[in-house]
Amino acid sequence: EVQLLESGGGLVQPGGSLRLSCAASGFTFSSYAMSWVRQAPGKGLEWVSAISGSGGSTYYADSVKGRFTISRDNSKNTLYLQMNSLRAEDTAVYYCAKAAPGVGYCSGGSCYSGGFDYWGQGTLVTVSS
Amino acid sequence: NFMLTQPHSVSESPGKTVTISCTRSSGSIASNYVQWYQQRPGSSPTTVIYEDNQRPSGVPDRFSGSIDSSSNSASLTISGLKTEDEADYYCQSYDSSIYWVFGGGTKLTVL
Repeated sequence: EVQLLESGGGLVQPGGSLRLSCAASGFTFSSYAMSWVRQAPGKGLEWVSAISGSGGSTYYADSVKGRFTISRDNSKNTLYLQMNSLRAEDTAVYYCAKAAPGVGYCSGGSCYSGGFDYWGQGTLVTVSS
Repeated sequence: NFMLTQPHSVSESPGKTVTISCTRSSGSIASNYVQWYQQRPGSSPTTVIYEDNQRPSGVPDRFSGSIDSSSNSASLTISGLKTEDEADYYCQSYDSSIYWVFGGGTKLTVL
């Protein structure tokens, strides 16, 4: 059974930093790209960042580029999101999500649908003074 | 770059059929697959449709997806509505230049 378990959320002051973790199990972690998707209170879903299975390629939404860094440790089956220079508008539940295999596009030797097939339960990040 | 636009809310009665649209602002809707996610209050999203019209195992066949090039939109249709279908629904697509894009979400009320 695929499980994704996020941790590391909490209350942080504007300008502060936080590192989120996502522990994965139930699948060959290194074979799949992973993403972080966030949801501000009462708002919709927003893709934040993605990383290839090997960790060699990373992608960011314009809203977080230069402030957030995605990484992974395939030996620990864990995905990370280092968030620096946090702003009030970064307040959200952060989900890690596994890229769904499919025929939409291929990258790093794997092919994906373009969507996500498993999501974690989310971790809340609140940026406030 | 493109955006995906969904109606803010839709409502229908139990047993009826409802369709939620997702309109792509530029470029062809057929250029990239569309996924649909269901999110019940307090829960994480789950996939109900992937690659335009494919249903994951475990999703009832009351859920179907389609695309319409004439309106440049994707649609999620739910037939035989049940109260448990009440949720937020999001369309999503991937593009190699702007990566992963979500629609704004549609709140489905089954009344």
